[in-house]
Amino acid sequence: QSVLTQPPSVSAAPGQTVTISCSGSDSNIGALFVSWYQQFPGAAPKLLIYENNKRPSGIPDRFSGSKSGTSATLAITGLQTGDEADYYCETWDTSLRGGPAVFGGGTHLTVL
Amino acid sequence: EVQLVQSGTEVKKPGESLKISCKASGYTFNRYWIGWVRQRPGKGLEWMGIVYPEISETRYSPSFQGHVTVSVDNSNRTAFLQWSGLQASDSAIYYCARVEDGFNSRTSHWGHGTLVTVSS
Repeated sequence: QSVLTQPPSVSAAPGQTVTISCSGSDSNIGALFVSWYQQFPGAAPKLLIYENNKRPSGIPDRFSGSKSGTSATLAITGLQTGDEADYYCETWDTSLRGGPAVFGGGTHLTVL
Repeated sequence: EVQLVQSGTEVKKPGESLKISCKASGYTFNRYWIGWVRQRPGKGLEWMGIVYPEISETRYSPSFQGHVTVSVDNSNRTAFLQWSGLQASDSAIYYCARVEDGFNSRTSHWGHGTLVTVSS
């Protein structure tokens, strides 16, 4: 059971916008940065968002992140069938004595 | 270019020991935290432990403390994950991953994963 809570699945049609939530507490999301990862079947995770809302080079601006209090959100606009994947939030926790980080349980995105 | 190249698929019996590896290149190995993430079949990602190569300082998630050992060989730029007595529940893909800037930072680079199957 992860300390970060994500919905198990979300779905939306191509072209629409979808949001994925990640809920934590004062000791993790409330105090520290959140990152988001995309994982396709059989592949390693890939960094999508870091420091709550920054994108690494090469990540389209269709992907955005935000944080408010003890929750974070990943938004994907202009959905494409190729976005169908698992998405994970990650942060650290001040109660874990310096690490490692923790992941949310993951959310499977279906593009209908 | 940062690369993390992991050792190959392992098939083991319960109770056996195992050490898998992750060879790093393209950056100053001993200045970045590096560690291991477990993914059981059909399940999510779990951080297991990390190590800072320069001083071999390790930190473990509570769920994995005492069950595995994370270590490094600085001369060969390689990180290791080790078990002394495997269980069927250790069957998973294990990813080697590098943390960008230490505490409160992102996991910026990933290996391709090592599949470990434990079965009698």
